[in-house]
Amino acid sequence: GNSVTQMEGPVTLSEEAFLTINCTYTATGYPSLFWYVQYPGEGLQLLLKATKADDKGSNKGFEATYRKETTSFHLEKGSVQVSDSAVYFCALSDRGKDDKIIFGKGTRLHILP
Amino acid sequence: DVKVTQSSRYLVKRTGEKVFLECVQDMDHENMFWYRQDPGLGLRLIYFSYDVKMKEKGDIPEGYSVSREKKERFSLILESASTNQTSMYLCASSSGRTISNQPQHFGDGTRLSIL
Repeated sequence: GNSVTQMEGPVTLSEEAFLTINCTYTATGYPSLFWYVQYPGEGLQLLLKATKADDKGSNKGFEATYRKETTSFHLEKGSVQVSDSAVYFCALSDRGKDDKIIFGKGTRLHILP
Repeated sequence: DVKVTQSSRYLVKRTGEKVFLECVQDMDHENMFWYRQDPGLGLRLIYFSYDVKMKEKGDIPEGYSVSREKKERFSLILESASTNQTSMYLCASSSGRTISNQPQHFGDGTRLSIL
């Protein structure tokens, strides 16, 4: 079945460092891909999305490109801030009979000042 | 902005109690969801609903039921609470008839402890 695998955390970086959080997926057909972020004490909120191959989603300095050939949707940011400390979830749409979104297990990011 | 409101941020109940978790959304969304979030397991879907009075089982429905009498409100019910149901519960909603194409909007969660 469809699934999402993302790198385990926690990931700890210094402020202004470059960030990559890896996400790969398994899917039949052509899913949409999402990154959600969960700040401490809050629910998840959509960070960015891409609906077809080679699309690039971007928001708040974060980017991710839908790579069909490598079945990946890695999250990147050029210069992280302390306020980016959160848990990040990669997700894909499942357009099979269940018609739902499948989430990865989340990657906790700590940014040190 | 879409707002999804969960009735309690923290809740403490006892084993065997019947527990109600309430969720209300203010954007006339068709679809509503209940997840539980546990360390190392990510989000797991308990139940969802794509219309009033409709419900569908998710991945882990055992021990839970749901109610959707009005479009804006989706309730999660723990029929007889057990300690393994101690968790963070997240409610979400989305628009449209194709669930998988639409981003979901989440509430802030209810941290439930069963003693």
